[in-house]
Amino acid sequence: AQSVTQLGSHVSVSEGALVLLRCNYSSSVPPYLFWYVQYPNQGLQLLLKYTTGATLVKGINGFEAEFKKSETSFHLTKPSAHMSDAAEYFCAVTGYTNAGKSTFGDGTTLTVKP
Amino acid sequence: EPEVTQTPSHQVTQMGQEVILRCVPISNHLYFYWYRQILGQKVEFLVSFYNNEISEKSEIFDDQFSVERPDGSNFTLKIRSTKLEDSAMYFCASTRDKLYEQYFGPGTRLTVT
Repeated sequence: AQSVTQLGSHVSVSEGALVLLRCNYSSSVPPYLFWYVQYPNQGLQLLLKYTTGATLVKGINGFEAEFKKSETSFHLTKPSAHMSDAAEYFCAVTGYTNAGKSTFGDGTTLTVKP
Repeated sequence: EPEVTQTPSHQVTQMGQEVILRCVPISNHLYFYWYRQILGQKVEFLVSFYNNEISEKSEIFDDQFSVERPDGSNFTLKIRSTKLEDSAMYFCASTRDKLYEQYFGPGTRLTVT
């Protein structure tokens, strides 16, 4: 079984401030972890992913995330928020015994204030 | 860059009608998925499809749902008798290997009236 918990359904930051979106996962097998971004009325765009290897992964648009097995976390960060970062962010986990299905968290809405 | 496409972008139907949502996955991909997202809620897994058969399905995917890959390029989701609660955005996804990232289509917004 696998599950994802995103702490904080809404996060608001000022432009230029640090962005931190939290994700904790549960998986009975080694997880593959993903962050997706969704802009209003659009599909899901992959920001970054962790499969194996380096635990700090870098993605598009300046985002990065660190896989911490001991904390079962995969938090998403960005040093300096831009107005264009305002969107819905979803953390997802995939386990190789589950036909590759992804389980998504509830999502976090990021608001960026000028 | 290859991408997953979905048609139509928006489908309005009356309760009890059948709808078919169409997807064209990326051509060399082998695993196919349908997910749905009810407005304001999270993305939920419906079904995965590999080697011309369903490999896993969720509780949501009951007898009114079916999937098909009729011609080697299209991947369809059929809802036999739509209900109001089927109103959602439906996303198709595909991947070359089930351990790789899934590529999502832009979605079909289904509105059941």
